[in-house]
Amino acid sequence: KNQVEQSPQSLIILEGKNCTLQCNYTVSPFSNLRWYKQDTGRGPVSLTIMTFSENTKSNGRYTATLDADTKQSSLHITASQLSDSASYICVVSDRGSTLGRLYFGRGTQLTVWP
Amino acid sequence: EADIYQTPRYLVIGTGKKITLECSQTMGHDKMYWYQQDPGMELHLIHYSYGVNSTEKGDLSSESTVSRIRTEHFPLTLESARPSHTSQYLCASRSTGGEQYFGPGTRLTVT
Repeated sequence: KNQVEQSPQSLIILEGKNCTLQCNYTVSPFSNLRWYKQDTGRGPVSLTIMTFSENTKSNGRYTATLDADTKQSSLHITASQLSDSASYICVVSDRGSTLGRLYFGRGTQLTVWP
Repeated sequence: EADIYQTPRYLVIGTGKKITLECSQTMGHDKMYWYQQDPGMELHLIHYSYGVNSTEKGDLSSESTVSRIRTEHFPLTLESARPSHTSQYLCASRSTGGEQYFGPGTRLTVT
């Protein structure tokens, strides 16, 4: 069964600190993995997208890593800011259908305190 | 920021009413999607479209219906709203390069 599991479910950190969010998946055949940021009451916004051959990708203070062998990904946030408070969703796409089916994790709810 | 819009953003409606959630995008994308999301839960695909006059049901069974008469417009309709339909509804479109863009969502409450 194709699944995407994220941990931790929620996380509280102080402003300026770093954190790492985890994503494990069983989706096969794998096409790509994306990290989205979803602010409360808003739609998800793409942070990074990685294909099978990419190990790491950065977007400002966000750095995503991918280990396609162990089917694990992480999202590292450096020097956190209050505006980083949001849900971070891991999404994996398969290439077994023309739809390019997306499998969503439940997200990690990050809260940054001043 | 993506050019995909949803209206209304918030809606409180009584049981049995008919409602239509609007979604439009100005990027010319053929592929469009509707997702349902409950708090703390993953997004579930309820409808998708590959283009004009093409609509399919997604993974999550839904009593809603959709139409795609124009490329830019993908409305979702509930003929008779029930409290179990209370949720957030997210519309999305996908570029030919595979990037998926989400609208801001409609938070629906059925009393």
